[in-house]
Amino acid sequence: DAGVTQSPTHLIKTRGQQVTLRCSPKSGHDTVSWYQQALGQGPQFIFQYYEEEERQRGNFPDRFSGHQFPNYSSELNVNALLLGDSALYLCASSRDVEQYFGPGTRLTVT
Amino acid sequence: QQQVKQSPQSLIVQKGGISIINCAYENTAFDYFPWYQQFPGKGPALLIAIRPDVSEKKEGRFTISFNKSAKQFSLHIMDSQPGDSATYFCAAKNSGGGADGLTFGKGTHLIIQP
Repeated sequence: DAGVTQSPTHLIKTRGQQVTLRCSPKSGHDTVSWYQQALGQGPQFIFQYYEEEERQRGNFPDRFSGHQFPNYSSELNVNALLLGDSALYLCASSRDVEQYFGPGTRLTVT
Repeated sequence: QQQVKQSPQSLIVQKGGISIINCAYENTAFDYFPWYQQFPGKGPALLIAIRPDVSEKKEGRFTISFNKSAKQFSLHIMDSQPGDSATYFCAAKNSGGGADGLTFGKGTHLIIQP
C-alpha cells in the first residue's frame, strides 16, 4: 500500500516565477491538506481540499492556490514567487482526523 | 499568535534514559493532539495521538500525558535509543472543526547519546 507521494522532490525557481507541486494521497484517503515548513520551524497550514473544493485556508495570500482532482490527488500552485517562499512543502492525506504526510517538495527561490 | 508552545527547543538524553517534551495550548476548542517525528529530509511521521477524554496513552516506548485543566500535554520516550534522534513536533486540532488544519509547535531537536 503506497503512502502519500509528492513530486517533484526538489525544485529551484526564480523570483516572480510560478510553480506547481503535486500530491497523491494514501489509498482510501479523500482529503488533502497542504503545509509549508520553513527551515527550523513547524509546518504551517496552507489549505485543505475535500470533494474537489477548498474547505479551509490558513494565513496565506491568494498567490497560493490549489486544486483537487476526482481521483483525490491535488496540486499546489504558487504565483509570483518571493524569496520567502523557499521552504519544504508538505502534503498530508486523511480520511478522518489522522493526517499522514508525504516526503515533501523542497522549493528554493533564488 | 502561536497557539501551541513547545519546549525544550533541543534536548540531549543518554541512551536508555527518558526523553520528555512538553507542549501547551491556548485554544480550548482543540480536542485532538498528535505527536509527529521528523528525520532530516523526510516528512513528519505520526507517532501517537490523544483525545482529551483520557489522561494518558501508551504505545510501546511512547507515552502521551494529557492535563486538560492546565491545557498541557507531553511526550515521554522510555528507554531512549540513538535511532530516536530526530525532531519531534506536537500538534493540535479541533476535530469538530471540519477542515481545520493541524496547528504545530516549533519542534524539539532530540539527540540520544550512545
